[in-house]
Amino acid sequence: EAGVVQSPRYKIIEKKQPVAFWCNPISGHNTLYWYRQNLGQGPELLIRYENEEAVDDSQLPKDRFSAERLKGVDSTLKIQPAELGDSAVYLCASSPGTFNTGELFFGEGSRLTVL
Amino acid sequence: AQSVSQHNHHVILSEAASLELGCNYSYGGTVNLFWYVQYPGQHLQLLLKYFSGDPLVKGIKGFEAEFIKSKFSFNLRKPSVQWSDTAEYFCAVNPSGGYNKLIFGAGTRLAVHP
Repeated sequence: EAGVVQSPRYKIIEKKQPVAFWCNPISGHNTLYWYRQNLGQGPELLIRYENEEAVDDSQLPKDRFSAERLKGVDSTLKIQPAELGDSAVYLCASSPGTFNTGELFFGEGSRLTVL
Repeated sequence: AQSVSQHNHHVILSEAASLELGCNYSYGGTVNLFWYVQYPGQHLQLLLKYFSGDPLVKGIKGFEAEFIKSKFSFNLRKPSVQWSDTAEYFCAVNPSGGYNKLIFGAGTRLAVHP
């Protein structure tokens, strides 16, 4: 079974440029998460989707970040414009549902460097 | 403030040494507890979890963790580490008691020398 797939793995951009990350969750997983991991820190939740609905986006900086999960499968996270402080690894994770074993399945992440 | 604290950011051990990584959390009420591991170049994966019952839980690769409610702790242990245990270890808490919302600690980077 394929795991969570993310792209691109690495992205280097100049500040004020836009950037987008894509995530394909494990087939059948209704819940999708975007986490941000800053250097030397643990992952922090940005947004959680139940199917196509964003049910927890309280930590998403809405002035420059946006996300969508059309058709309740793939998801895209966008930053526009990027700032130096956005340099981090953006992790996508999925789980079979809201209430389950509590295990999240993570992708390998997209490492963003903003110059 | 509610948080998850991991006491050691970097740990260096020789093979066959014993390992204990500390984790404390500050959430009250029902919590579910997890240890995730990230091997070099790989994705985060679940090592073990505690939901209820026996506070000593066993995970993959010989790891175990003990939940001590009175101390708000969930320390990870392994009696004898191997070079292949070199990785970063993250403690995580689901404070909701319901839907999945993992709050992670800052991680502990473990290096095991042959």
